[in-house]
Amino acid sequence: QSVLTQPPSSSGTPGQTVTISCSGTNSNIGSNFVYWFQQVPGTAPKLLIYRNNQRPSGVPDRFSGAKSGTSASVAISGLRSDDESDYYCASWDDSLSGWVFGGGTRLTVL
Amino acid sequence: EVQLRESGGGLVKPGGSLRLSCTASGFSFSTYDMNWVRQAPGKGLDWVSSISGSSRNKYYADSVKARFTISRDNANNSLFLQMHNLRVEDSGMYFCARGDILTGAAGGDLWGQGTLVTVSS
Repeated sequence: QSVLTQPPSSSGTPGQTVTISCSGTNSNIGSNFVYWFQQVPGTAPKLLIYRNNQRPSGVPDRFSGAKSGTSASVAISGLRSDDESDYYCASWDDSLSGWVFGGGTRLTVL
Repeated sequence: EVQLRESGGGLVKPGGSLRLSCTASGFSFSTYDMNWVRQAPGKGLDWVSSISGSSRNKYYADSVKARFTISRDNANNSLFLQMHNLRVEDSGMYFCARGDILTGAAGGDLWGQGTLVTVSS
C-alpha cells in the first residue's frame, strides 16, 4: 500500500480536461513539495511537475499542478491521445526520511 | 549528452548479492543528490535510497535498510547500490534518478533506462 493515495484510473476524451488527485499527510504533502511524474509503461518516468506547480522546460502548459494542505492534483487540459500514461505523485516524507510515491493513476484517452 | 545509464542487473537466487551501477555523463555529477527507485513488474514506483552529492547523507527505505548500501564515486561520475540478502520481493526494474525533492529543486528530472533485477530460485 502506497503512502500517497491516488485513484487507480482516470479517463477522458480528446480535448477534455482531467484532474488526478493525490492525498497524503502532514509528514509528506502537508509539509513538503509535491512532484508529478509521467510514465509510459516500459519506459523511464519523466518529471512533469516539481515544487507543487512548476513545469520543467519542455513540458507544455497544458499540465498544471496544485497543492492545498495535505492534498495535491495535476490537471491536464486539451487532452491528447499521447497523454495516455501512468501518472505518479511524490513527496518527501519527514517521518520516513525518504521519497514517498502514490500508487499511480493510469490515464486512458477514450 | 546528459544521461544516466544503469548496469549490473541480472538473475540471482534468494539470499544472494548484486551490485548495481549508474554512470552519469553530461552534467556536474558531484553537485547532485542521486537516488535509486525501483518498480516491480506491473507495479508502481518504489523509492529505495538516496545519497547527497558529498556522500555525507544517505537515506534508505525501511524495506532495504541493513541489506542495501548506496555509494558514489564522484571522480568517475558513478553511483552504486550494493544489495545483499536479496529477496523475491526485491525483483524489478531499478532506475537511478538525479536530484533531490526535499528542497524544491527539479529533482527527478533525469532518469536512466533501468536495469532489471530478478530474484528467483
